[in-house]
Amino acid sequence: DTGVSQNPRHKITKRGQNVTFRCDPISEHNRLYWYRQTLGQGPEFLTYFQNEAQLEKSRLLSDRFSAERPKGSFSTLEIQRTEQGDSAMYLCASTPRVRNTGELFFGEGSRLTVL
Amino acid sequence: AQTVTQSQPEMSVQEAETVTLSCTYDTSESNYYLFWYKQPPSRQMILVIRQEAYKQQNATENRFSVNFQKAAKSFSLKISDSQLGDTAMYFCAFTLSGNTPLVFGKGTRLSVIA
Repeated sequence: DTGVSQNPRHKITKRGQNVTFRCDPISEHNRLYWYRQTLGQGPEFLTYFQNEAQLEKSRLLSDRFSAERPKGSFSTLEIQRTEQGDSAMYLCASTPRVRNTGELFFGEGSRLTVL
Repeated sequence: AQTVTQSQPEMSVQEAETVTLSCTYDTSESNYYLFWYKQPPSRQMILVIRQEAYKQQNATENRFSVNFQKAAKSFSLKISDSQLGDTAMYFCAFTLSGNTPLVFGKGTRLSVIA
C-alpha cells in the first residue's frame, strides 16, 4: 500500500505565474484534504473532497486558488497569479471510507517559493 | 470555532529523559477526537497517538502517552526514554468527528540532545 504522493516536491516561480500541484492519495481513500503550512505555523485547512465532490472550502482559499478531483482519485491544486504570500508548503492528506478514525495520512508536501 | 493552542514553541530534552509537551483546546462539544502528530525535518507528518474524548483512559503507544484532562480541555504528550529520532515538530490536532477537517496547533519544536 503506497502512501500519499505529491508532485512536484519543490516549485520556484516568479510572482504572477500560475502553478499547479498534484496529489495522489492512498488507493481507496475517498476523502482528500489540502492544507497549507507556513514557516513556524501548523497546517491550515484549505479544502477537502469526498470522492469527486468538493465539500468544504476555507476562507483562506481565495479566488486565485482552485482545486479539483475530477474522477475521485488524484487531485490538483492550482494557484493563479501567484503572490509572495503564497510561499508555503502545500500538504495533501487522505482518509479511508471505512474504519475512519479521523487520522489523516499525509504526503511529503509541495514547497512553493514565489520570488 | 474550535481552536488548539500549543504554548511551547521550542523544547529540548536529554536523550533517555522524559519530556512533556502541552496542548489546550477550546470546544463546546462533548465528543471529539484529539491527536498528536510528528513532523521530522523534511519528512512527512505521521500520527503519534490518538485519543477519543468519550474514553476516560489515557491513550498510550509504546514510549508515548497522553494526559487527557477533559474538564480542563488539556491534552499533553509525554515522551519517555527520549531518542534522537524523536527530534521533530510536534502538532496537537482536534476534530469533532472522522468527517470534519483536523484543526492544528502551531506546533512545538522538540530537540533531543545526545
